[in-house]
Amino acid sequence: QVQLVESGGGVVQPGRSLRLSCAGSGFSITNYGFHWVRQAPGKGLEWVAMIWYDGRKRYYVDSVKGRFTISRDDSSNTLYLQMNSLRAEDTALYYCARDGSSVSLAVFDVWGQGTLVSVSS
Amino acid sequence: QSVLTQPPSVSAAPGERVTISCSGITSKIGNDYVSWYQQLPGTAPKLLIYENNKRPSGIPDRFSGSESGTSATLGITGLQTGDEADYYCGKWDSSLGAAVFGGGTKLTVL
Repeated sequence: QVQLVESGGGVVQPGRSLRLSCAGSGFSITNYGFHWVRQAPGKGLEWVAMIWYDGRKRYYVDSVKGRFTISRDDSSNTLYLQMNSLRAEDTALYYCARDGSSVSLAVFDVWGQGTLVSVSS
Repeated sequence: QSVLTQPPSVSAAPGERVTISCSGITSKIGNDYVSWYQQLPGTAPKLLIYENNKRPSGIPDRFSGSESGTSATLGITGLQTGDEADYYCGKWDSSLGAAVFGGGTKLTVL
């Protein structure tokens, strides 16, 4: 069964750091790009970051540039999102999603269940 | 920043057909196609339509997608109470180097 499982969320004070993990199972993450998408409580989806299948290119939404870093470890079938200098507005449920398209980017064909990040003093 | 605009809510009766629009598709560089996602209450989003009008395996043909000019449309026929959910359009914007989502549309099946 193809699955993504996020972990690492929690309650953190503003300015602190957190690292989210996303473990793939039932498939190899090699040859797939991946994204992080977040959803603030009661709000819509917001794309956060993307990493290419080979890790050569990474993209970020403007609001997290310079603070968040997306990375991957194909040997452990795991994606990561390192979040530094966290702000209250980063509070959200964070999903990792597989990019399943062979034609264009941002076709999120597999989603995890999400991990909750709450930034509060 | 590219903004995709969706109506906040739509409603229809069981068995009827409903459409959800997604406008503001200003970037059509290369293969920047639109996808649609269904988010049932308390669950992760699910891919319904990709590359404007293709359905992943397991998605019934009651769901369809189309694109024209700067808009895309999700159509749902034979509405069921189980279709009540939030629906999002999304795409990659090559001019921005970022993915964008619409604000979401809440479907109510009366």
